[in-house]
Amino acid sequence: NAGVTQTPKFRVLKTGQSMTLLCAQDMNHEYMYWYRQDPGMGLRLIHYSVGEGTTAKGEVPDGYNVSRLKKQNFLLGLESAAPSQTSVYFCASLNPGLQETQYFGPGTRLLVL
Amino acid sequence: EDKVVQSPLSLVVHEGDTVTLNCSYEVTNFRSLLWYKQEKKAPTFLFMLTSSGIEKKSGRLSSILDKKELSSILNITATQTGDSAIYLCAVEAIGGTYKYIFGTGTRLKVLA
Repeated sequence: NAGVTQTPKFRVLKTGQSMTLLCAQDMNHEYMYWYRQDPGMGLRLIHYSVGEGTTAKGEVPDGYNVSRLKKQNFLLGLESAAPSQTSVYFCASLNPGLQETQYFGPGTRLLVL
Repeated sequence: EDKVVQSPLSLVVHEGDTVTLNCSYEVTNFRSLLWYKQEKKAPTFLFMLTSSGIEKKSGRLSSILDKKELSSILNITATQTGDSAIYLCAVEAIGGTYKYIFGTGTRLKVLA
């Protein structure tokens, strides 16, 4: 039982490049989330999903897209990376109605030059 | 606008001290408040407080919810160097949605 995993752990991009961050969970959780964490800003919700095939915007969705084609995977895409997207990205999952606490992945550190 | 505010932003104490971390919130239709500990990587869950569970305790850590004051405190007694971390408070933005707003966190450093 690996919990929540994220790929890659670290990435450097040039401005304008695109990339996809992968989050996978093996706990059969319905809800999945993408956050970014910047110094002094706490965790801010980018997008989330309440089930396979569904996605919704969070607090800071601009510049990002997501997809949840399979229940266990939640992908975060950057179509044209900008330096303002330099951050640490965390994925989380949750099963509503049970413990109702989010389980977080180890994070992806992204540097956009 | 929904918001969660934590104080202090940072704190340095010596081993054995007792610390109190604060979290205040303004959200629609409050349902739950969660505390997390974040060391080098992912936040790990500490407590969840709700209207039906306003006080939680685990070892040297305890937390209380004050619904009247729209706030919560996290107490750590007899601090150890292993308690050094960022402590995050999160509140469900609208009850039943499972969308959470996080505070900026309190960075705690415990000196030996």
